[in-house]
Amino acid sequence: DAGVIQSPRHEVTEMGQEVTLRCKPISGHDYLFWYRQTMMRGLELLIYFNNNVPIDDSGMPEDRFSAKMPNASFSTLKIQPSEPRDSAVYFCASSPSTGSRDTQYFGPGTRLTVL
Amino acid sequence: SQQGEEDPQALSIQEGENATMNCSYKTSINNLQWYRQNSGRGLVHLILIRSNEREKHSGRLRVTLDTSKKSSSLLITASRAADTASYFCATDAKSKGSTLGRLYFGRGTQLTVWP
Repeated sequence: DAGVIQSPRHEVTEMGQEVTLRCKPISGHDYLFWYRQTMMRGLELLIYFNNNVPIDDSGMPEDRFSAKMPNASFSTLKIQPSEPRDSAVYFCASSPSTGSRDTQYFGPGTRLTVL
Repeated sequence: SQQGEEDPQALSIQEGENATMNCSYKTSINNLQWYRQNSGRGLVHLILIRSNEREKHSGRLRVTLDTSKKSSSLLITASRAADTASYFCATDAKSKGSTLGRLYFGRGTQLTVWP
């Protein structure tokens, strides 16, 4: 299995631009999580899905952030418009619904820099 | 907050020594997990201990859990330079239907093992 796949790995953009981060979870996993990691705030859960349905989006910072999961193998996190304070590493993680359900498998992350 | 809190924030030791990291949390849990993050990478699951377990081993890792004190410890024996990484504890949320499936991560302990 290829594990959780994220793209791009690095993104540099200018303030005000739209940014789209992509994630392909591990096949067969029913949960998908989006996290943001910064030195100041640590690892923050932004939103998570179960069977493609958003369960908890209370961590989404503001309306500039949106996330979708159109099918079981793809999710996007969009920031529009982006701001310098959005600079962080964004991780996607997935977990199965049975067996080792509680274990999350993380992707390599997308390092976002907003100038 | 239900987040776990690791202690110490940073730990520096020599190869061959043992490394002990602690985690405290606030609410009742079903299980507690430890993850490792190498610089520039995603988190990797190390070990899971359930609330009815007191101790668990995996290779050079030993995890203890004291639910009465709401605390856990991770011991890495005979450390190696390759163990240099950040270590995070993560707890689930017992009986929290709306947040079922999510984990609460601490800020992590940065372990440096000098050769």
